[in-house]
Amino acid sequence: QSVLTQPPSVSGAPGQRVTISCTGSSSNIGAGYDVYWYQHLRGTAPKLLISGNTNRPSGVPDRFSGSRSGTSASLTITGLQAEDEAAYYCQSYDNSLSGSVFGGGTQLTVL
Amino acid sequence: QVQLQESGPGLVKPSETLSLTCTVPGDSISNYYWNWIRQPPGKGLEWIGYIYNSGITKYNPSLKSRATISLDTSKNQFSLKLSSVTAADTAVYYCARDVSRMVRGVFSPAYYFDYWGQGTLVSVSS
Repeated sequence: QSVLTQPPSVSGAPGQRVTISCTGSSSNIGAGYDVYWYQHLRGTAPKLLISGNTNRPSGVPDRFSGSRSGTSASLTITGLQAEDEAAYYCQSYDNSLSGSVFGGGTQLTVL
Repeated sequence: QVQLQESGPGLVKPSETLSLTCTVPGDSISNYYWNWIRQPPGKGLEWIGYIYNSGITKYNPSLKSRATISLDTSKNQFSLKLSSVTAADTAVYYCARDVSRMVRGVFSPAYYFDYWGQGTLVSVSS
């Protein structure tokens, strides 16, 4: 069981908007630690998509946005494109583990 | 773009020690915190631990002291050894660079990762 909880899968048609949730607890997201999101295409290196809850690293399209509230966070992708089909992982810091924790990952299917 | 590359045996026998190496291009290995992360088949990512140039290490307590991370700056490499492996250690193992930053005058991990390797599958089986 992953420390952070994500839905196993989400889907949407090209052009639509999808949101992926990430639920933590009082020892990680709820404690105020930042949330990060990664995009992972099988067989490639995971790519940092969102840092510090809402920030997009250089080169990440503004179709990707993140938010955090309470013990949860979410990643929203607008204007879905076929190339967005990938697994998405959330990550934060956990003070009971004193280290990084991840979600179980969400597979996005573009219909 | 920093391209990390994991290497090591793809098959390890139960009770033996898993050994992997991550090669870091360029001369940045002394300036960051370096991590190992793994993903068992069908499961999520699990942070294993990190090392910093000065020999600072930290590990996920769930590994019960089986993990050891070391650094060889002369080769621009860092390594993972995981002892007494079982089938539960079968996973894709990734090396990753922590963003790393100054916090109150101390160079510290940021606890997130800006560059990763592509991962290497290690199976534990007799």
